[in-house]
Amino acid sequence: DTEVTQTPKHLVMGMTNKKSLKCEQHMGHRAMYWYKQKAKKPPELMFVYSYEKLSINESVPSRFSPECPNSSLLNLHLHALQPEDSALYLCASSWSGTGGDYGYTFGSGTRLTVV
Amino acid sequence: DQQVKQNSPSLSVQEGRISILNCDYTNSMFDYFLWYKKYPAEGPTFLISISSIKDKNEDGRFTVFLNKSAKHLSLHIVPSQPGDSAVYFCAASGSGSGNTGKLIFGQGTTLQVKP
Repeated sequence: DTEVTQTPKHLVMGMTNKKSLKCEQHMGHRAMYWYKQKAKKPPELMFVYSYEKLSINESVPSRFSPECPNSSLLNLHLHALQPEDSALYLCASSWSGTGGDYGYTFGSGTRLTVV
Repeated sequence: DQQVKQNSPSLSVQEGRISILNCDYTNSMFDYFLWYKKYPAEGPTFLISISSIKDKNEDGRFTVFLNKSAKHLSLHIVPSQPGDSAVYFCAASGSGSGNTGKLIFGQGTTLQVKP
């Protein structure tokens, strides 16, 4: 299995809703990432988990809450989002956070629309 | 401060000809470089990578060249096909991004291959 699987593929939520994005990989990767991508812009890193511990939070607002229940799963909990949070949310995984060939793999993303 | 730059927002080439996409970086601590292809509303798809110990890596129609002294890399696609039309992102990683696995992306180049 060489894929990163993200669910759901599309999500529409109101500003008072609580929802979660899910990401799963079975490549044995020990680093997992959340990126946010707006149209025609490069992906922007949000969070990095390394060996199931949060190692980087790129000053992301607290309405985004990541969780790594185990080495294969990564969640992003959403609460009280704003319309400007509408974007493509990408999960990725890699072998580790050190230099060299990471085997970096992206999922196909969740298209989030906040109404 | 943009550490990875793709100065050409768009490129148009004829089918069968060579496409050359360029990328410049400023941080000499980057030791691993990747090219991704992205279609709208999808996650980035890995194309090809190169380690800083090499100056060329080839995979089928795709070749990446790295000039460390100039801090420049390029992606050559030969021959170009209409299906190659997409946004191409250059990304860098390594100790230049704190050895965290964080990818630093360029702004992307939209390639259009005309039949």
